[in-house]
Amino acid sequence: NAGVTQTPKFQVLKTGQSMTLQCAQDMNHNSMYWYRQDPGMGLRLIYYSASEGTTDKGEVPNGYNVSRLNKREFSLRLESAAPSQTSVYFCASIAGIAYEQYFGPGTRLTVT
Amino acid sequence: KNQVEQSPQSLIILEGKNCTLQCNYTVSPFSNLRWYKQDTGRGPVSLTIMTFSENTKSNGRYTATLDADTKQSSLHITASQLSDSASYICVVRSLTGANNLFFGTGTRLTVIP
Repeated sequence: NAGVTQTPKFQVLKTGQSMTLQCAQDMNHNSMYWYRQDPGMGLRLIYYSASEGTTDKGEVPNGYNVSRLNKREFSLRLESAAPSQTSVYFCASIAGIAYEQYFGPGTRLTVT
Repeated sequence: KNQVEQSPQSLIILEGKNCTLQCNYTVSPFSNLRWYKQDTGRGPVSLTIMTFSENTKSNGRYTATLDADTKQSSLHITASQLSDSASYICVVRSLTGANNLFFGTGTRLTVIP
């Protein structure tokens, strides 16, 4: 099992550009999450999907959209990137409510 | 308000020494508490989970404690190794709410030879 995979690993964007961060898990997990991690602020939830076909906003959803393409894949889209979106983005999945979250390796995004 | 606070923010210790990291929370109602280890440039990985009825749990050189009455947890690392250098994140799950995971900001541990 590859676990949770994310692409790309690094990305540099100019302000106003758009991009999609891809995430896939092969553990048959129901729930998937997108977080951003900034120095001194810890992990903050952007969006999550409790099950295939559903998505909900987290703590910091502004400027982002998500798509739960199927049970395996959960993508995060930045329509018009801003320097404030410079961060490390982590995707995670979980089998059920009391289980461990499995995190991907992260995407380091820089917006200039 | 549900919050998780960790201390210290950062810590430097000599290889072979012990250390203790703290996590205080106000999350209610409480479900469980996990400690994650995050190596530089990697995603967090679970070290241990503590439920309401557990006071102490060990995972190799890592020992977690939980005092549900005072809402405090600690992670004790024994005989530290260079590979223990990482950030340690405390995550508390609430019993209620769709978005029910609360993250601490982590403690950055550096083990020096």
